[in-house]
Amino acid sequence: DAGITQSPRHKVTETGTPVTLRCHQTENHRYMYWYRQDPGHGLRLIHYSYGVKDTDKGEVSDGYSVSRSKTEDFLLTLESATSSQTSVYFCAIGSGEGEYFGPGTRLTVT
Amino acid sequence: DQQVKQNSPSLSVQEGRISILNCDYTNSMFDYFLWYKKYPAEGPTFLISISSIKDKNEDGRFTVFLNKSAKHLSLHIVPSQPGDSAVYFCAASGSSGTYKYIFGTGTRLKVLA
Repeated sequence: DAGITQSPRHKVTETGTPVTLRCHQTENHRYMYWYRQDPGHGLRLIHYSYGVKDTDKGEVSDGYSVSRSKTEDFLLTLESATSSQTSVYFCAIGSGEGEYFGPGTRLTVT
Repeated sequence: DQQVKQNSPSLSVQEGRISILNCDYTNSMFDYFLWYKKYPAEGPTFLISISSIKDKNEDGRFTVFLNKSAKHLSLHIVPSQPGDSAVYFCAASGSSGTYKYIFGTGTRLKVLA
């Protein structure tokens, strides 16, 4: 298994509160990604990073920000959580031949 | 606008028979395709890939076929086993150099014993 961990694995938070999800890798991959999985939508890319301090938006980036200060860590922040951000969030690390996913974080915004 | 489509949300197959999962794409710039398998409460796991320079790639019981003119790929699983029951996602990437993948909505495969 690729060395990817996500924390927390489960979180319940209230609307309007900030939330940060962490992705940690031990594989020294340059590319890291954040996806959300929702019924009927599959996996949708939120943000990705192609190096330390180098990030770019995906298809559903509104309401999310990311930071990558070290190769091994990629943080996803919901500045002010909304109920529409209730989802399962997956981090992935990648190369030109595909991506390897973490175990996911189930986030519920009440 | 969905660039990668999996039009069958679910599929049931008898154990030992062939499972065929389909995926269509609209962007002719896509040149690398992957299939992932996902069990409940786990992250997706990479299954098999194919480059646009090929029309077939095989790995054990899994074969992916690519028809570039039709912008269609399919995953064949032969023989199907109950442990293959999962959600299968196809994904596509273009030659943009950013290694961004667009995923389909997934097909839930159920292999009946």
